Amino acid sequence: DVKVTQSSRYLVKRTGEKVFLECVQDMDHENMFWYRQDPGLGLRLIYFSYDVKMKEKGDIPEGYSVSREKKERFSLILESASTNQTSMYLCASSLSGVQYNEQFFGPGTRLTVL
Amino acid sequence: SQQGEEDPQALSIQEGENATMNCSYKTSINNLQWYRQNSGRGLVHLILIRSNEREKHSGRLRVTLDTSKKSSSLLITASRAADTASYFCASDNTDKLIFGTGTRLQVFP
Repeated sequence: DVKVTQSSRYLVKRTGEKVFLECVQDMDHENMFWYRQDPGLGLRLIYFSYDVKMKEKGDIPEGYSVSREKKERFSLILESASTNQTSMYLCASSLSGVQYNEQFFGPGTRLTVL
Repeated sequence: SQQGEEDPQALSIQEGENATMNCSYKTSINNLQWYRQNSGRGLVHLILIRSNEREKHSGRLRVTLDTSKKSSSLLITASRAADTASYFCASDNTDKLIFGTGTRLQVFP
């Protein structure tokens, strides 16, 4: 089975801190995604990556950056955390080049910024 | 925003009843997918229906797709308490998925 893991289930940070959220997948998927999930807003795409060292902005990239140095790892970085970045963060991965791109999700990281 | 919408936002039923959730999306699609999310967890893929299909079944799940109306529905038959979760549709836009806002389903024993 595909496994997507995220470095933390719960994280509490202070305003202004630099925050790293790590995601690792073990099925050699080309595509990786970062979403945030907020009540009433569903999942919103922050950034995604089609390959190592490649990144594309999603719908809400402001305040975030990403890094993909290895195929299996996709990191989300909050350069200076703010309270409005308190949210559930979900990482996902999928194969590329196929018509049916089912995404596999990690368990999520609930980030609280104080 | 290209985000889809789901209806209803919340649904409460008794075990054994059927649950129907509806989804509308905005762009043309290759396929439409449904995902389930247990409280505080990641999403799990349930079923995918291609744009040239009108109906698909998987166990107690039945999905329909109407591309002319840009809408889909998910029917869960003979619901169980364990079906309690949030359900999201996701429309395929190249390699990205555009998720709906979700339906919270509560099934009472």
